Amino acid sequence: EAQVTQNPRYLITVTGKKLTVTCSQNMNHEYMSWYRQDPGLGLRQIYYSMNVEVTDKGDVPEGYKVSRKEKRNFPLILESPSPNQTSLYFCASSLLETDTQYFGPGTRLTVL
Amino acid sequence: GNSVTQMEGPVTLSEEAFLTINCTYTATGYPSLFWYVQYPGEGLQLLLKATKADDKGSNKGFEATYRKETTSFHLEKGSVQVSDSAVYFCALRLIQGAQKLVFGQGTRLTINP
Repeated sequence: EAQVTQNPRYLITVTGKKLTVTCSQNMNHEYMSWYRQDPGLGLRQIYYSMNVEVTDKGDVPEGYKVSRKEKRNFPLILESPSPNQTSLYFCASSLLETDTQYFGPGTRLTVL
Repeated sequence: GNSVTQMEGPVTLSEEAFLTINCTYTATGYPSLFWYVQYPGEGLQLLLKATKADDKGSNKGFEATYRKETTSFHLEKGSVQVSDSAVYFCALRLIQGAQKLVFGQGTRLTINP
């Protein structure tokens, strides 16, 4: 089954404790992206990647890192999480030449 | 800048009612327009899209027409069902911006039996 998977689905952590949210897709998509969803703000792009070893900042990259060492994986790293990073995070992927992005199920992160 | 504005929610309707969710956009250039739907506890799914002016996207009884003159892409359905309860997002993609999507704030729709 074609899908985007994210882990963990839920995470509660404390300020300053490094964490990684994994994202993996099995559709051989070149493009991958991370969004955060906050009430009243819709989804905002954090980082994106056009292919392996190619990443770039989205609209709200501060406090986040990403890497793209393999085509299928695009982890989101929070080196020192803060409470304002409490949010619902979505990973998405697509082929470069198509319009349709496929979204993962989301990761709900709470930073205390 | 580029932005999408949706009607404020939440929206509550009775089953079989007519639905309209308004969406307007501001963009440089000629964007593609999308409606995504998020069912409870799930990620977003593409509902429909339109890539140029006067195109009509449709899926699952939902429709939206790309209106360049009013910079709008309103979502409509003639008879909603309880299973349509979800959050709906309008979004645009700028051709020159590759795959980046700009989302509206989302509209929560609840359909009562």
